[in-house]
Amino acid sequence: NAGVTQTPKFQVLKTGQSMTLQCAQDMNHNSMYWYRQDPGMGLRLIYYSASEGTTDKGEVPNGYNVSRLNKREFSLRLESAAPSQTSVYFCASRLAGTGNMNTEAFFGQGTRLTVV
Amino acid sequence: SQQGEEDPQALSIQEGENATMNCSYKTSINNLQWYRQNSGRGLVHLILIRSNEREKHSGRLRVTLDTSKKSSSLLITASRAADTASYFCAGRSDSWGKLQFGAGTQVVVTP
Repeated sequence: NAGVTQTPKFQVLKTGQSMTLQCAQDMNHNSMYWYRQDPGMGLRLIYYSASEGTTDKGEVPNGYNVSRLNKREFSLRLESAAPSQTSVYFCASRLAGTGNMNTEAFFGQGTRLTVV
Repeated sequence: SQQGEEDPQALSIQEGENATMNCSYKTSINNLQWYRQNSGRGLVHLILIRSNEREKHSGRLRVTLDTSKKSSSLLITASRAADTASYFCAGRSDSWGKLQFGAGTQVVVTP
């Protein structure tokens, strides 16, 4: 049981390049999330998908797009990377919905992205 | 708006001592969750306390919740070097809602 898998683990981009961060979970969770973590800022929610077919903005969505490809996969795309997007990105998933108020979130190991 | 803000930002203690950290939140919640993050890793769920509970224990962890003050505390008793990590709280207000974290408390336990 792999849990939440993120790829790649590390990436260096040049300003203006684009890339997609991949996330997949094998726990049959319906909700998935993308966070970024910067020193001293904690985790900030970029986008989330409460269920397959829906996506919503979090606190810091500008410069990002997401796709909930299917129930397992939730990708994060940077169309034109900027140095301000240098961060560690975490994907998480959770079983949400009626009767699932008290379920925990499971996190991937993170993608360390540097934009130069 | 953050659904969890921890304090202190950093805590340095010696093995065997207790570590206490606090969390405040802004809106009504149905539960509050604590997570741990080891350096360079993802967050791992530690313990959840429901809004109708005041105290909960799990091993060396003790969490309290005061809904009137919109605050929670996490106590780690008899700390070990392996408890060195960052600790985050997050409140949940509905079963579909997003989970938002604060900046965390960085705990360093020295042998």
